[in-house]
Amino acid sequence: QKEVEQDPGPLSVPEGAIVSLNCTYSNSAFQYFMWYRQYSRKGPELLMYTYSSGNKEDGRFTAQVDKSSKYISLFIRDSQPSDSATYLCAILGGTYKYIFGTGTRLKVLA
Amino acid sequence: GAGVSQSPSNKVTEKGKDVELRCDPISGHTALYWYRQSLGQGLEFLIYFQGNSAPDKSGLPSDRFSAERTGGSVSTLTIQRTQQEDSAVYLCASSQRQGSGNTIYFGEGSWLTVV
Repeated sequence: QKEVEQDPGPLSVPEGAIVSLNCTYSNSAFQYFMWYRQYSRKGPELLMYTYSSGNKEDGRFTAQVDKSSKYISLFIRDSQPSDSATYLCAILGGTYKYIFGTGTRLKVLA
Repeated sequence: GAGVSQSPSNKVTEKGKDVELRCDPISGHTALYWYRQSLGQGLEFLIYFQGNSAPDKSGLPSDRFSAERTGGSVSTLTIQRTQQEDSAVYLCASSQRQGSGNTIYFGEGSWLTVV
C-alpha cells in the first residue's frame, strides 16, 4: 500500500463549480499536510498547509483533514479557468521527508 | 536569488551519456532536496542535504545517480550512463530548515529526455 494515494483524474468541471480533491494516507502518525498546485511545465507551488485535524480556509480554498479516516481534502469554491492545474497532496513523513501524491489534474471549463 | 533556480531547463541526451543538473537554492536556505517526477507518477524523493550534515541518499535509484552540494549552497545531480527510463522532470527544492511548519520551495525543474 502506498503511503499517500490520490486519484489522478482528470477532473473537468464548469466555471463556478465547487471542486473537491482528495487523498488518503496510511500512517496515522502523520500530522503535517500540504496541498501544492502545479501548472503545466512548472514546479509545484505551496497552496496550503494544515496541522492535525480540522479545517483551514484561505480565500476560495479550504483544506480539511480527517485523521480518524486518514483522509485529506482540498475544496475550491467558485472555480476559475485559471485554477486548471495539477493538485498534489503532500505529507511530512518524519522530520524532513515529504511524501507526495501522484496529483489530480483539474480542468475548469469557461 | 528570488527563487530556486535550476539549469538546464531542458536537456535531450543520448542513451549512455552523462548529464549534470544544477540547482541554486534560495539564499539562506540550509535544506535542499532533489525529487524526480515521471509522467503519471508522484514526486519521488531522491536525496536531501541539510547544512553540513551527511546527506540522505536513500532515494537514489541506482549507483548511476549521485549528487553533491558545494559550500552548503549550489547542488549538482549527476546521472551517469543515462538510460531511457531516466527521462523525467528533476525538481530541486529548498527550505529554511527542516520539520513541520516549514515550507519547501520548488524550482521549475530540469526536463530530461534520454533518446
